Amino acid sequence: NAGVTQTPKFRVLKTGQSMTLLCAQDMNHEYMYWYRQDPGMGLRLIHYSVGEGTTAKGEVPDGYNVSRLKKQNFLLGLESAAPSQTSVYFCASRPPLGRGNTEAFFGQGTRLTVV
Amino acid sequence: AQKVTQAQTEISVVEKEDVTLDCVYETRDTTYYLFWYKQPPSGELVFLIRRNSFDEQNEISGRYSWNFQKSTSSFNFTITASQVVDSAVYFCALSEEVLYNQGGKLIFGQGTELSVKP
Repeated sequence: NAGVTQTPKFRVLKTGQSMTLLCAQDMNHEYMYWYRQDPGMGLRLIHYSVGEGTTAKGEVPDGYNVSRLKKQNFLLGLESAAPSQTSVYFCASRPPLGRGNTEAFFGQGTRLTVV
Repeated sequence: AQKVTQAQTEISVVEKEDVTLDCVYETRDTTYYLFWYKQPPSGELVFLIRRNSFDEQNEISGRYSWNFQKSTSSFNFTITASQVVDSAVYFCALSEEVLYNQGGKLIFGQGTELSVKP
């Protein structure tokens, strides 16, 4: 049981380049989330999805896009990377509240540096 | 609006001291869950506890205990007889349920960095 897997784990981008971060979960969870973690800022929600084909903005969505074409995958895209997007990105998934174990499971994180 | 505040940015204690990490939340929902996560220096996020909005019973798990008070919108976490291995960043989080395709956010506080010195 792999849980939540993020790809890649590390990446260095040049300003203006694009990339996609992949989050895959094998727990059949409906809800998925993308966060960024910066020193002193905690985990800030970028975008989230409460089901296949649906996405919503979080606290810091600017500069990012997401897609949830399949229930098990949640993609985070950076169309034109900026140094301000240097961060550690975490993906999480969980079932809806009230359905058994409702804790959120996290991936191991992706360390992205934009130079 | 949904919000979680952890006012203590950093706490430093000496081993065997008790320490309480504060968490205050805001939500308009009547159904919600509160969580605590631990992030050790290795970086992964470790689930500690969840509590739903209808259960105000305090919980104890070994040296860890949690105090949930809806009247003050607080969900505080106490470590008794702290140990060096407890050194980590601790996050409090709040999640609302989805109603009519709205909601479902999982919001975290800014975290409290706990340093336990020998």
